Amino acid sequence: KAGVTQTPRYLIKTRGQQVTLSCSPISGHRSVSWYQQTPGQGLQFLFEYFSETQRNKGNFPGRFSGRQFSNSRSEMNVSTLELGDSALYLCASSLGRPTNEKLFFGSGTQLSVL
Amino acid sequence: KQEVTQIPAALSVPEGENLVLNCSFTDSAIYNLQWFRQDPGKGLTSLLLIQSSQREQTSGRLNASLDKSSGRSTLYIAASQPGDSATYLCAGNPFSSGNTGKLIFGQGTTLQVKP
Repeated sequence: KAGVTQTPRYLIKTRGQQVTLSCSPISGHRSVSWYQQTPGQGLQFLFEYFSETQRNKGNFPGRFSGRQFSNSRSEMNVSTLELGDSALYLCASSLGRPTNEKLFFGSGTQLSVL
Repeated sequence: KQEVTQIPAALSVPEGENLVLNCSFTDSAIYNLQWFRQDPGKGLTSLLLIQSSQREQTSGRLNASLDKSSGRSTLYIAASQPGDSATYLCAGNPFSSGNTGKLIFGQGTTLQVKP
């Protein structure tokens, strides 16, 4: 069974640009969550989607957005990139009841903003 | 607001030693607590999930306990091996997040097991 797939693996952008990251969950999983990981702040929750609806959102500016498609694949977008957006972006999937089930993480997209 | 703290931040032990990693959380209103492993530059691998109503979970050489009254969880690793070297993260799923995938993570404990 294939795991969570994130593309691209690495990305280099310049300030002011925008970027789109992709996440394909495990087959049958309907929930996709996104996290940002930095050395200073650690892992921080961005948002979660379930059946194409945003179910929860973290404390990030509106430049961070996401969506989920009918096949459960998800994308997140960051507009007007800032240097501080450099981070490892991780997505995780689950069947949809994360209060009693494990989250399965992808390998992440390493974003560098120059 | 839920805060999760992990002590120590780093740990180095000789191979074969039993060790304990600590995790504390400020709000006992959690659905569950999970322990993850992260290898450098990689994603997270779920190790153990303890439901709010449970006291411990075991998987192979790993045992995790949960004490909600004191706001603590521990991950016990028996007979450590060099392959156990990684960063270990604990994360709570608080009631305040609803039935969603919003986890609150600790900063992690980086473990090095020397041959």
